[in-house]
Amino acid sequence: GAVVSQHPSRVICKSGTSVKIECRSLDFQATTMFWYRQFPKQSLMLMATSNEGSKATYEQGVEKDKFLINHASLTLSTLTVTSAHPEDSSFYICSASLQGRRADTQYFGPGTRLTVL
Amino acid sequence: DAKTTQPPSMDCAEGRAANLPCNHSTISGNEYVYWYRQIHSQGPQYIIHGLKNNETNEMASLIITEDRKSSTLILPHATLRDTAVYYCIVREEDTGFQKLVFGTGTRLLVSP
Repeated sequence: GAVVSQHPSRVICKSGTSVKIECRSLDFQATTMFWYRQFPKQSLMLMATSNEGSKATYEQGVEKDKFLINHASLTLSTLTVTSAHPEDSSFYICSASLQGRRADTQYFGPGTRLTVL
Repeated sequence: DAKTTQPPSMDCAEGRAANLPCNHSTISGNEYVYWYRQIHSQGPQYIIHGLKNNETNEMASLIITEDRKSSTLILPHATLRDTAVYYCIVREEDTGFQKLVFGTGTRLLVSP
């Protein structure tokens, strides 16, 4: 299957700092990428949809000024958690959409574990 | 997107077939059935998807009932590495934003 990478895989930061997470599609171009968040023992929750060259679309309840998304190219999207607080500690996962012959399929990155102290 | 219902957990012996059911009684005609799995602390992994015909790939088989109100994911020879949470998701072919809405899934435990 298609490969999506994330960097870093794990990050620990102090409260009040900003953290940037990168998501790359390695062997295909993705016009659409998605960002999810997963708290312990819970399912994935979609945060936002990122389209190359345009503003991201955020899900209800997700603060766009706190979670900045930039989709600068067809292979790179970034999520910046601004002024992080302990409640932002979570597992952040991106996915990229690959258009196929029959239907679209999303491929996920390995995730980034964010811990805010 | 239509809602899916899955059992919260299932057990399977190593080497045996694992049959994971999913109910999607409100599925509409243009919605596909997707299956993903998530091994602990990793990103979800795509397994298979289908519209109305049964599908098979190197990982699994997908059996969709004729009325499309339910489906079964079959792992023919489960291994310990198949222990994961399995998500059944229905989604339209092309909504523009192509969202995947994850439910709670089925936690499959494969034991020796």
